[in-house]
Amino acid sequence: AQSVTQLDSQVPVFEEAPVELRCNYSSSVSVYLFWYVQYPNQGLQLLLKYLSGSTLVKGINGFEAEFNKSQTSFHLRKPSVHISDTAEYFCAVSDNYNFNKFYFGSGTKLNVKP
Amino acid sequence: EAQVTQNPRYLITVTGKKLTVTCSQNMNHEYMSWYRQDPGLGLRQIYYSMNVEVTDKGDVPEGYKVSRKEKRNFPLILESPSPNQTSLYFCASSLRAQRDVLEKLFFGSGTQLSVL
Repeated sequence: AQSVTQLDSQVPVFEEAPVELRCNYSSSVSVYLFWYVQYPNQGLQLLLKYLSGSTLVKGINGFEAEFNKSQTSFHLRKPSVHISDTAEYFCAVSDNYNFNKFYFGSGTKLNVKP
Repeated sequence: EAQVTQNPRYLITVTGKKLTVTCSQNMNHEYMSWYRQDPGLGLRQIYYSMNVEVTDKGDVPEGYKVSRKEKRNFPLILESPSPNQTSLYFCASSLRAQRDVLEKLFFGSGTQLSVL
């Protein structure tokens, strides 16, 4: 089974500052990687996904993530955050062995301050 | 409007009283799945279904049952709920889950369950 580690449970940042949310996964087999965002009292929405190809993936709302196979990481970045980016962010992994199963990290709460 | 609908939104029950949380999607999705979300643990997959009459266990299936008799519906059944099943539950669906064609998951708004 996969495991997904999001090292930071909370990340406070000021508006217009850059941010990086970290995600590491355990598997050495081919993986599929996702970032989801959860706004208060809502379900999760997909930000971006990596299935294959370019290791730099661009998503919605100006977010991007880079797949690093050697470091088994898939960190999420945004060069300039807005108040509206305040939410909880989840990294998720599926793999080539069982792509029906999705493993989620414990989440990182991004708090953007004015 | 394309959506995944869960009911109820909130549910308080007592230990041992059977309950069902419904999930319905209007997007003709083949793949559906249930998750529970607990603080500090993220989302954990309970069951998933590849299509009608095809279901399989996720990571935490104990104490839960599911059925997929119709494509649009995927109810979660707790035959004898216990306090450790108090959690926030999410249903999700996807067009399909095939290797190299992993579609994004669409999530419902969640069901907050409290078992006393």
